[in-house]
Amino acid sequence: DAKTTQPNSMESNEEEPVHLPCNHSTISGTDYIHWYRQLPSQGPEYVIHGLTSNVNNRMASLAIAEDRKSSTLILHRATLRDAAVYYCILRDISNAGNMLTFGGGTRLMVKP
Amino acid sequence: DARVTQTPRHKVTEMGQEVTMRCQPILGHNTVFWYRQTMMQGLELLAYFRNRAPLDDSGMPKDRFSAEMPDATLATLKIQPSEPRDSAVYFCASGLPLVGGTDTQYFGPGTRLTVL
Repeated sequence: DAKTTQPNSMESNEEEPVHLPCNHSTISGTDYIHWYRQLPSQGPEYVIHGLTSNVNNRMASLAIAEDRKSSTLILHRATLRDAAVYYCILRDISNAGNMLTFGGGTRLMVKP
Repeated sequence: DARVTQTPRHKVTEMGQEVTMRCQPILGHNTVFWYRQTMMQGLELLAYFRNRAPLDDSGMPKDRFSAEMPDATLATLKIQPSEPRDSAVYFCASGLPLVGGTDTQYFGPGTRLTVL
C-alpha cells in the first residue's frame, strides 16, 4: 500500500471544526482512503473511508482532492471526546480483508 | 453492540515467564489480526488468520511468539519465554473481507503487557 504523510499533532478548540490533512502523492487508482482513530487507552476505531467522492457519516466527513493526492478528515464540531490519534491509511482494492498499515498519525488535542 | 474482547487487560510478569493473551472476535467475523503497539514502533502487525488458518505471521518473532485459533471464537497469542522488550500493548482485531478493500477492522481494548 502507498505511503501517507500526516502532521504529528494539531490543536483545536472545543465546538469548532477541525480539518485533519493527509498527503498521499503516490496513491494509485485502486487505493481506498481509510481513516481510523485511537482514543486514549483504547484500540483504534474506524472513522470513514472513500475512493474519489467526498463522504459523510455520523462521525465525520472526508474530502478528497480531485487528483486524489491528498484528503482531509473534517470533524464538524470538535468535542473533548474527539481528542485522539487519527490515522490516514491507504488500502488497495485488492487488499480486502488484509492488514492495516499504520503510520504515525496526527495527535489531535482539543481545548475546552 | 458486538465487540472484540481481550483478556487479560493488564499483565505484569517476569522475564522468562510464559504469557498467553486471548481474544474473542466478533461473532461471524472470519479474519482475526494481532497488532502490537509501542512508543518506538507504533502499531505493527504481528499475525493474522482467515477462517482459522494463518495467512501472515511475518511480523512475529518465531522463536518465542506463537499465535493460534483453536476455534472460531478464540484466538491466542503466546510468548515463551517473555523478555522486557516484549512490553507493549497487544491488540486483537477482527473483520470480514469485503470486495474492493472497503472492509472495516474492529479492535479490542488491548492487553497491556509489562515484562520486568
